This record gives sequence, structure tokens and C-alpha cells, in this order.
Amino acid sequence: GQQLNQSPQSMFIQEGEDVSMNCTSSSIFNTWLWYKQDPGEGPVLLIALYKAGELTSNGRLTAQFGITRKDSFLNISASIPSDVGIYFCAGQLQAGANSKLTFGKGITLSVRP
Amino acid sequence: NAGVMQNPRHLVRRRGQEARLRCSPMKGHSHVYWYRQLPEEGLKFMVYLQKENIIDESGMPKERFSAEFPKEGPSILRIQQVVRGDSAAYFCASSLQLGANVLTFGAGSRLTVL
Repeated sequence: GQQLNQSPQSMFIQEGEDVSMNCTSSSIFNTWLWYKQDPGEGPVLLIALYKAGELTSNGRLTAQFGITRKDSFLNISASIPSDVGIYFCAGQLQAGANSKLTFGKGITLSVRP
Repeated sequence: NAGVMQNPRHLVRRRGQEARLRCSPMKGHSHVYWYRQLPEEGLKFMVYLQKENIIDESGMPKERFSAEFPKEGPSILRIQQVVRGDSAAYFCASSLQLGANVLTFGAGSRLTVL
């Protein structure tokens, strides 16, 4: 089946630093999404990408949909303590009845004050 | 309706008992997804439902698991004769349209099987 790969499993950065996270797939997706999950909560959508090559920003977050449609990255600039959490990438192959999302295993981000 | 509401938030069951997890979608949303998250794993798709219809159940285990989304009331994920391996967080998400990719997730129901 389809798999999304995120590594490393954990990242540790200093407050104020930038961080970049990558997500790769063995197969093509037509929509890429980035979610953040806080402890004990459900995932919250950060950014959605709909076109190959698309670069989208949301505040301090920037994400890109890879040209090959097999990868995406998320960049967080000037990190702050509340950026701590688990970041998941997710891909959707198509809309309609077969529209389920495939998630990566997530990257746990720790921010040292 | 502040968002997708799931209950119970925490459920403890002994092996062999039944677990029922409920999900009320956002107001106006008629599409519901269920996902399962094992410790240190991503979310795995289970089932996609519209009111009174199962659209895609390709992620549901063949036995013991069932889901419904009746015309009135919440969506229910039912696990019969639970086993320890069923311990996980179960998340519900809802969307406005068929096959939308912008899903709103609930806070999850955490099932522990003793």
C-alpha cells in the first residue's frame, strides 16, 4: 500500500531557530497536507497543497508540494515554544469516494527555550 | 457546535467486552471518517461514511469492527470482543463535501483494553 516516510522521528531545536521537515512517498499524491497534533488532541490542519510545485505560507509556516508529486516539505521559521508537537504529513490520491488520507508516522518537535 | 465532538474521551474495557465510540460531526457536515492511531504511529484510515451509507470501509478489520452513521444521531464505531491490540486512539473527522481533503478532526477517544 501507499506509505509516507517522515524522518527523523524526533527533532530538537533552540527557540528562534528555523526547522525543516521532509515527507516522501513511493507513489504519487494529488494533494499534500500538513497537520500538527498536540498531546491528547486530534490533528489540526496547518497547510494544504493542491498543485505540484505549489509553495504556500501560513504565518511562520511554509510548505511546498514537490514537482514529482512524491514529496513535500514543511518549514517553520523563528520557532517558539508553542511549536512543540507532532507534525504529520498526509497525502490524498483523489477526491470523491476514494478520498481517504494516508498519514506519515509524524515528527515530534521539541523546542528548547 | 464548536467542532467535531467525540465521546467518551477515555474508555477502559476488559478483553471480550464491547466498545462503542461516538462521533458528532461539525454542524452541517454529513461526511464522517474514522481513523485509528497506535502509539508512536500515524493515523490509519478505517472507514468513510455518509448519512446512512458506508462509502469506503477498506481500512476496517474484517471481523469485530463495524461503523454506522444513522440519519439522526452520531456516528458510532463499534468494536466487539475487544482484544489488547485494539488499544489505540480513535479519531473521527468530518467534512462538508464528498471526498473533501479539508477534514476537521475531533479530540479522539482513547481505548485501553486490559
